[in-house]
Amino acid sequence: DADVTQTPRNRITKTGKRIMLECSQTKGHDRMYWYRQDPGLGLQLIYYSFDVKDINKGEISDGYSVSRQAQAKFSLSLESAIPNQTALYFCATSDQRGSTQYFGPGTRLTVL
Amino acid sequence: SQQGEEDPQALSIQEGENATMNCSYKTSINNLQWYRQNSGRGLVHLILIRSNEREKHSGRLRVTLDTSKKSSSLLITASRAADTASYFCATVFFGNEKLTFGTGTRLTIIP
Repeated sequence: DADVTQTPRNRITKTGKRIMLECSQTKGHDRMYWYRQDPGLGLQLIYYSFDVKDINKGEISDGYSVSRQAQAKFSLSLESAIPNQTALYFCATSDQRGSTQYFGPGTRLTVL
Repeated sequence: SQQGEEDPQALSIQEGENATMNCSYKTSINNLQWYRQNSGRGLVHLILIRSNEREKHSGRLRVTLDTSKKSSSLLITASRAADTASYFCATVFFGNEKLTFGTGTRLTIIP
């Protein structure tokens, strides 16, 4: 769904590098989320934001940071990437508390 | 930690057959949602069922919710090759708007 876009779609990096993943949405939603998916597993919540001034940690926030630059943009950073952060990363949005979430296409990150 | 647990982990059926997958959870929920994920892609929302609802339909999809057993099922009727995907349930607890995903059921439709 082009309403939620993520860049880059694929990224290979080395241990210790700083990486930023970006998410943009045109749905006008206030709520945005970052998830991580490891092979064969469900999604784990990294960070979420209810609006530009509200950022919250999820289940697995260690090693990650986020920035909500505007209602439409939510970036995820890995300050010093490590191999076990190799995963699929998804951004999602929603317009209401506990309601349907709309996902971006994902970023496949490989840390060597 | 994963709240929902899907069963089975993997399911292969012939095209045209019905597919049923189940989700169990541990604590009271506000709603339960089902999502589909095609290989390596983003999740797509299928159905949301609230705690006071027992059954919902959407096209060939039927979802049931049994809050006394803390379980839900997703039925896909007259399966098609395009239904091949992983299916995830996600729960929303009362007082918490976050979605907690299970580990998914991998469905393969054999033409």
